[in-house]
Parts: sequence; C-alpha cells; structure tokens
Amino acid sequence: GQQLNQSPQSMFIQEGEDVSMNCTSSSIFNTWLWYKQEPGEGPVLLIALYKAGELTSNGRLTAQFGITRKDSFLNISASIPSDVGIYFCAGNDRGSTLGRLYFGRGTQLTVWP
Amino acid sequence: KAGVTQTPRYLIKTRGQQVTLSCSPISGHRSVSWYQQTPGQGLQFLFEYFSETQRNKGNFPGRFSGRQFSNSRSEMNVSTLELGDSALYLCASSYGTASYEQYFGPGTRLTVT
Repeated sequence: GQQLNQSPQSMFIQEGEDVSMNCTSSSIFNTWLWYKQEPGEGPVLLIALYKAGELTSNGRLTAQFGITRKDSFLNISASIPSDVGIYFCAGNDRGSTLGRLYFGRGTQLTVWP
Repeated sequence: KAGVTQTPRYLIKTRGQQVTLSCSPISGHRSVSWYQQTPGQGLQFLFEYFSETQRNKGNFPGRFSGRQFSNSRSEMNVSTLELGDSALYLCASSYGTASYEQYFGPGTRLTVT
C-alpha cells in the first residue's frame, strides 16, 4: 500500500511561534487532506487540497499541495494553546482505492503558554 | 447538520467474543469508511461502503466484516476477538463517489481482555 511519511513526529513550541509540518508519499496523490485529532475524539478535517500547487488557508492554518504531487505542507501561524493535538496528513490516489484515505503517523503538537 | 455518530463509545469484550459497532453518517452522505487506529499501526483502512455495496477493503482478516443499510447507516462486526483487536474504531462519511473529504465520528474504543 501507499506509504506516507509525516514529519516531524512531535513538536514542542511556545505560544506565538509558527509551526511547519510536512508529508511525503511514495506515489502521486490527487488529493491531500489535513486533520487534527484531540484526545478522545475522531480526526477533524482542517483543509482539503485538490490541485498541484494549490495553497489553501483556514484561519491561521495554511496548507499546500506540492507541485510534484507527492508531498504536502501545513503551516500554523501564531500558535495558541488550543492548537495542541495530533495533526495528520491523508491522501488518496483516486485509482483503485475509492473511499480510502492513506494516513501519515501524525505530528504531536504541544504548545507552552 | 448533525455530525457522524458512533455507538457505543466504549466497549469491553473478552477474547473469542464477537462485537458489532454502529455508525450513522452525516445526513445526505452515502459513503461510509471504517478505520482502525492503534498506537503501533496508526490509522488503518478497514473497508468502505457506498449505496450498500462494499467498494474497497483493506488488508484485514475475514473476521472483520461490515455492511451498509439503505439509509446509509453502517455496522462493522468483528468475530472471534483477539487481544490485538483492541483499538479505536473510527467511522467516516463522505458525500459520494467524487468526494474525498471524509468526516469522522468520535470513534468506538474497543478493549479486548
């Protein structure tokens, strides 16, 4: 199956700092999604990307669909304590895997006040 | 619009027993996907249903099965439970064939003793 490499695995930052994380796949993806999961909850969709080179924002979050179609990036600006959680990248190659998303292992974000 | 609901939220079972988990998708969504989340393996795709048909299946043994009803509600069943089946089982719904934006429920935490 597809392999998604997400980095970094964890980040410890101070409130107000910017955060960057990325995800790479072993093959071309047609869709990239970014989710956030908090303890005891399911992942919440943050941003969806559908075109190579696409840059999309959702408040302080900005994500990009890499031009090689094998990577994606998520940036969080001016972090706040409620940004704490695990951020997952996910993608789909729209081939024979209809309805299936491949997930990275997640980036655990800790924000110190 | 109500989100994806999953019942029960928590479940404790004994090895060898079987279990049925339920998922109600967002109103109007016809696709339901199931994922298993564990600390060791991350989020792993189990199967996906669309209009009562299984379109895709992940690499899990036949003890894992599912179905979808005409109202798009879905159930998954695990027979002959093993200790390694302890996990968070997540259900996600999406609108249809062309949509890869999946919206997750809170999950069912299954513990096998």
